Amino acid sequence: GQNIDQPTEMTATEGAIVQINCTYQTSGFNGLFWYQQHAGEAPTFLSYNVLDGLEEKGRFSSFLSRSKGYSYLLLKELQMKDSASYLCAVRDRLRSNSGYALNFGKGTSLLVTP
Amino acid sequence: GAGVSQSPSNKVTEKGKDVELRCDPISGHTALYWYRQSLGQGLEFLIYFQGNSAPDKSGLPSDRFSAERTGGSVSTLTIQRTQQEDSAVYLCASSPPGHLSGELFFGEGSRLTVL
Repeated sequence: GQNIDQPTEMTATEGAIVQINCTYQTSGFNGLFWYQQHAGEAPTFLSYNVLDGLEEKGRFSSFLSRSKGYSYLLLKELQMKDSASYLCAVRDRLRSNSGYALNFGKGTSLLVTP
Repeated sequence: GAGVSQSPSNKVTEKGKDVELRCDPISGHTALYWYRQSLGQGLEFLIYFQGNSAPDKSGLPSDRFSAERTGGSVSTLTIQRTQQEDSAVYLCASSPPGHLSGELFFGEGSRLTVL
């Protein structure tokens, strides 16, 4: 089974840096994903980590430590449009062994203020 | 370059009625997933299809829920005898074959309200 924990809400100021943490427990880890979801819209892919370390992609970076069951998403130079829900997800093998599915945390609602 | 398409975008129904939700995945994507997102909850995995293989139904919450995928493309999620706790956004996602990361491409969802 899975247990994926992330903070429910965070607030940060425009132009600042924010770090959203995610901890997980899983039986068959096969990658960690971060998705962004604006209210009423589809989740969109932000980043993917399968090995330990930092992956940087523009203003967004994601870090993974498999031994600690820990990841974070780092958002730099925050903009108002970054206000959204950020979803941490662990890719795990399905019980039927037919493939993989993403198991999601409840998401962190980020509010960027002027 | 159409994305994942879902219909209807909104559905209001009365308790006890059956509903059908449709998903058109991205052309060429062999994997198709259904998820449910309830208020204040994370995305909950429901069912997984890979090509023409038997689906993984391990996430379906009850036998009132079923899904099929015709010709390895379009999928329909059916909820029979709907209950108020079925109210949620039902999201469909697809993924291409051989995709290294297994990234899922989501549709905008079908919002179901059961009165």
